[in-house]
This record gives sequence, structure tokens and C-alpha cells, in this order.
Amino acid sequence: KQEVTQIPAALSVPEGENLVLNCSFTDSAIYNLQWFRQDPGKGLTSLLLIQSSQREQTSGRLNASLDKSSGRSTLYIAASQPGDSATYLCAVRLVGSNYKLTFGKGTLLTVNP
Amino acid sequence: ETGVTQTPRHLVMGMTNKKSLKCEQHLGHNAMYWYKQSAKKPLELMFVYSLEERVENNSVPSRFSPECPNSSHLFLHLHTLQPEDSALYLCASSQEGAYNEQFFGPGTRLTVL
Repeated sequence: KQEVTQIPAALSVPEGENLVLNCSFTDSAIYNLQWFRQDPGKGLTSLLLIQSSQREQTSGRLNASLDKSSGRSTLYIAASQPGDSATYLCAVRLVGSNYKLTFGKGTLLTVNP
Repeated sequence: ETGVTQTPRHLVMGMTNKKSLKCEQHLGHNAMYWYKQSAKKPLELMFVYSLEERVENNSVPSRFSPECPNSSHLFLHLHTLQPEDSALYLCASSQEGAYNEQFFGPGTRLTVL
């Protein structure tokens, strides 16, 4: 059974700091990994999708890496801003499941002005 | 309207009521999903429709009944729910296939009294 773990569960940083969020998964046979952002009580916003054949993806101040063999992904946020405060979720799609995403519980990020 | 929309955004119902949640996607996708997000738990996939056919049902109780009349609309019919069914219900859509990104709606916050 695929399990996805996100560490830390919560993180508080001062504005301007670079930070890394971690995601690990137990079964490395995945199609892809997707990072999302969720604001309180709201839906999910897709940030980055990394296919299993890729090592990283970048969008603006965000960079996500994938090491499939070790079952790990990191989301790097450069020059953090208060508007980055949200819960960040990672999800993997296991080979053999065309549709199901298995999610972690998320990291709650607070960026203090 | 753009992206994935959901109505209502908030719903309070008694255990004997019947209600429906509605999702509409404006992205030209052909797969749609219902997810449940409960406090302190990871998102759980409930149902998947691909090309208007139900392709996944993840052991969801029969008091939840999905309907997909066309590729743009998805409903979740609710009847005789339990208080533990209170959660955020999220709809998502994607192009059919394991390599495609899922896009989420804002969710319906359901409270069962």
C-alpha cells in the first residue's frame, strides 16, 4: 500500500527565507508526483507536476525535485513571502492506477512579515 | 466561469435530508473525480468518471451516489448521511490518462447535523 509522508507537519519562517518542504513515498513505482497548495477552507491549486522520468520542475520561485529510486521529493520555495502561507500537499500516482492520487497530510507553512 | 466550479460552497443538512453537490469543469477535460477531505486525514478519492463512465469507486457507502450526465458535469447525491460524513468535498478534473495533471475546484463544506 502506497503511503505518502510529509515532513515537517508545520513550519514557520520569517519573510525572505528560502525553505524546503519534504515528501516521501513508500512505493517508487509511480507515474508522477504533483505538488498542491491549499488555502484554509479552500480547494487545491496545482503547483507543479513531475513525471517519473523527470528530475525537477520549476515555476517562478518554486522548484520541485524528484528522486524516484529513494522515494523522495522536495519543494523549494525561494525568497518566501507572507502570501506563500498555506498548506502544501504532495500526491503520487501509483503505476497501475490511472486515476488515483495518494496524498500526504500536508505541511502547514506560515511566513511571518 | 473558468477552471472547476462547485456549488454550493457550504451545505448544512440533517441526517434524513437529500441533497446534491454539483461540479462543473470548463477545461475541456474528459475525466472527473470526487474526493473527500476530513480533518486530520489525507484526501481520499471517492469516485472517478472517465468518458462519462464510472471507472473507480473506492468502497464508498451507498448513501453517496455519483452521477456524470456529460463530460463537463458531475454530481454527488447525498441521502441519510451521518455526522461523520461532515467534510470538505472536492471535485477535480483532468484529461484521461495517468500522466495528466488534476485540477481541483474550491470544494463544498458539508456539515451533517
